[in-house]
Amino acid sequence: QSVLTQPPSVSAAAGQKVTISCSGSSSNVGHNYVSWYQQFPGAAPKLLIYDNDKRPSGIPDRFSGSKSGTSATLGITGLQTGDEADYYCASWDKSLIVVFGGGTKLTV
Amino acid sequence: EEQLVESGGGLIQPGGSLRLSCAASGFSVRRNFMSWVRQPPGKGLEWVSTMYDNGGTYYAESVRGRFTISRDEAKNTVFLQLSSLRADDTALYFCAREPRVWSFFDVWGQGTPLSVSS
Repeated sequence: QSVLTQPPSVSAAAGQKVTISCSGSSSNVGHNYVSWYQQFPGAAPKLLIYDNDKRPSGIPDRFSGSKSGTSATLGITGLQTGDEADYYCASWDKSLIVVFGGGTKLTV
Repeated sequence: EEQLVESGGGLIQPGGSLRLSCAASGFSVRRNFMSWVRQPPGKGLEWVSTMYDNGGTYYAESVRGRFTISRDEAKNTVFLQLSSLRADDTALYFCAREPRVWSFFDVWGQGTPLSVSS
């Protein structure tokens, strides 16, 4: 069981918007930054969002991140079939370990 | 281009030992925070270990005392020494870089597979 809680799956139609939640505690999400990763089958994870709401260069602004208290959210607008992937949130914990969410499978 | 290339995975019997390597290019492992993250077949990501730029090391409880992270600055390579291997250590092992302390993983390798089975 993962320390950070994500829904196992979400789905939405192409062109629509979807949000993926990530729930933690005051020791991790409530204390440190949250990052989000996109992973296609057979590939390495790719950084999508860092420091709660920042996008690395090359990541389209259709992807957004936010955090409030001990929860974080990844938003994806203008869904495309190419967005179908697994999405993971992560955060450092006060106990000096990194915690990941269990992952969310997005179906478009 | 900043890149990580892992190697060293394979099939090993329970109780055995193995060393994984992660060769970096385009940046210095000495000046960054280097981590190992694993993914069991069909499952999610699990953090394994991180080495700080100052040499400090941190481990997940599930591997503490059995795995050791280290680096060779001359070879610009990070290692993960695995011992007392168990079936639940079977996973794809990724090497990843954190650009600063307690941050995020911005560069990932392609992973090296480890299977622990008799």
